[in-house]
Amino acid sequence: GDSVTQMEGPVTLSEEAFLTINCTYTATGYPSLFWYVQYPGEGLQLLLKATKADDKGSNKGFEATYRKETTSFHLEKGSVQVSDSAVYFCALTAGAQKLVFGQGTRLTINP
Amino acid sequence: GAVVSQHPSWVICKSGTSVKIECRSLDFQATTMFWYRQFPKQSLMLMATSNEGSKATYEQGVEKDKFLINHASLTLSTLTVTSAHPEDSSFYICSASEDRGLKGEQYFGPGTRLTVT
Repeated sequence: GDSVTQMEGPVTLSEEAFLTINCTYTATGYPSLFWYVQYPGEGLQLLLKATKADDKGSNKGFEATYRKETTSFHLEKGSVQVSDSAVYFCALTAGAQKLVFGQGTRLTINP
Repeated sequence: GAVVSQHPSWVICKSGTSVKIECRSLDFQATTMFWYRQFPKQSLMLMATSNEGSKATYEQGVEKDKFLINHASLTLSTLTVTSAHPEDSSFYICSASEDRGLKGEQYFGPGTRLTVT
């Protein structure tokens, strides 16, 4: 079945550091790929998405490129802020209604 | 836009009682609503998908007689945990979609923490 694997957390960085959170997937067909973010005490919010190979999703300084050849959708940000502290989920949908989530990566940014 | 609310945000109940959780789309019509369960430090596990006016589709291993889902209108879905037991304690999250979830655009509620004593 379809699945998503994220890098193990938690991840702790200093402000202005470069961030990468790895995400790889297994899917039949041609999935759409997503990154969701869950801030403390809030619901999940869509951060960015890509619907086909080589698409780059971007939002709030975060980027991720849909790499079909490596089945990856790694999340990157050049300079993180304390306000980026949250749990990040990689997810996919492959035509069916449901989203398949990775296990989540908790990110803490220290000032 | 695309706000989803849940009520209550937390609830404590005694073992054997039933608890109802509401999920509302506040500013759009939700053709499909999803119910998830999230265990501490783990991912979201889809429990069921409900399309407005239809019976919910449950994921494998989820007891439909225990977790009753109703999606009677385009803005409201309810999850009732019947005869709750301590192992049902968890964080329950709903999401809603206005395109039947086909594009993956789901809008999530803030979640309901259920504690069964």
